[in-house]
Amino acid sequence: GESVGLHLPTLSVQEGDNSIINCAYSNSASDYFIWYKQESGKGPQFIIDIRSNMDKRQGQRVTVLLNKTVKHLSLQIAATQPGDSAVYFCAENPTGNQFYFGTGTSLTVIP
Amino acid sequence: GAVVSQHPSRVICKSGTSVKIECRSLDFQATTMFWYRQFPKQSLMLMATSNEGSKATYEQGVEKDKFLINHASLTLSTLTVTSAHPEDSSFYICSARPGTVNTEAFFGQGTRLTVV
Repeated sequence: GESVGLHLPTLSVQEGDNSIINCAYSNSASDYFIWYKQESGKGPQFIIDIRSNMDKRQGQRVTVLLNKTVKHLSLQIAATQPGDSAVYFCAENPTGNQFYFGTGTSLTVIP
Repeated sequence: GAVVSQHPSRVICKSGTSVKIECRSLDFQATTMFWYRQFPKQSLMLMATSNEGSKATYEQGVEKDKFLINHASLTLSTLTVTSAHPEDSSFYICSARPGTVNTEAFFGQGTRLTVV
């Protein structure tokens, strides 16, 4: 497989501030990436995706940045809200249909 | 978006018994589905790729005789945890992609398995 699961790093931000969540992916052949949000006891939910021919993509309140040189992704959440508290994973798609998940970051928004 | 449904959402079983988890794509057909395992405060680990009409492809280190996968139709894949042990207790999640290239994967709501 790809990245090995480790205990989640954590990030705490004040409500209204911007959040930046980082992810290192492992396979230089990966050409498609997704950020997922996972709430406790639930399956992951799609946030935003990016293809390897792009280095930035914006959605509603979220922006994903891709740096293929160092195999790094970041997710920026603007004006973070309490409902954004969750675990965030990046997932890479190297070959075929499989997605491999990064370590994840637990985001806590402080009201 | 597309819907993937898992059943059951929670199951408790005794050591030595087998448990079957179902994964259904409700509004699309999926020739491949994926099974993940997630321990508390850890990431999702891909266990296997379920292929409709053929054998599943297992990731390195995953015992195929322990985790039996059947993908009998384009909308249903099942994962059977055989001879379950307490260390098999985990959160199992399935996913499927409506398309192939550069399309998102949709996830089921997960199954919390507890082996006592």
